[in-house]
Amino acid sequence: EAGVAQSPRYKIIEKRQSVAFWCNPISGHATLYWYQQILGQGPKLLIQFQNNGVVDDSQLPKDRFSAERLKGVDSTLKIQPAKLEDSAVYLCASSLVGGLDGYTFGSGTRLTVV
Amino acid sequence: DQQVKQNSPSLSVQEGRISILNCDYTNSMFDYFLWYKKYPAEGPTFLISISSIKDKNEDGRFTVFLNKSAKHLSLHIVPSQPGDSAVYFCAASDRRAGNMLTFGGGTRLMVKP
Repeated sequence: EAGVAQSPRYKIIEKRQSVAFWCNPISGHATLYWYQQILGQGPKLLIQFQNNGVVDDSQLPKDRFSAERLKGVDSTLKIQPAKLEDSAVYLCASSLVGGLDGYTFGSGTRLTVV
Repeated sequence: DQQVKQNSPSLSVQEGRISILNCDYTNSMFDYFLWYKKYPAEGPTFLISISSIKDKNEDGRFTVFLNKSAKHLSLHIVPSQPGDSAVYFCAASDRRAGNMLTFGGGTRLMVKP
């Protein structure tokens, strides 16, 4: 079974620039999550999708962050404009509907804003 | 307001001995708890979980204990191996509110040969 795929692995941008991350979940996983992990902290949920609908985006800074999952499969997370404090690893995870079984993370995208 | 806390940022243990990683939570609505292991440049990988209706769950060398009255859980690794060296995250979920996970800050375990 292929895992959760994320790209790019690393990205360095200047503040005020924009950036996008891509995630392809495990086949058949209807639920997709984006987490932000700042160095030295645990991952923090940004947004949760079920199929192509948003379940929870209460912790997404909507003035600069956006995410979409148009066909209920892969997803993109965008930051525009980026700030220095957005430097973090962005993790995508997916799971089957209705449970925590098989909750699987991708390897993440490490973003550095300079 | 951190709902899940891992108060020890690091732990060093000799190979073959027991490793005990601790986690405290404040939200009494959490009903499912998980431990994840993370190597550098990789995403967290699931290790073991426990439902709030249990007080212990065991899987090979890994055992998780839950003390609901103290809002405390711990992960025991026996015997510890050098390959266990990683960052361990405790996570909790209120499954009635969805499947979002709330993570602790992690504990870096170093197992010395």
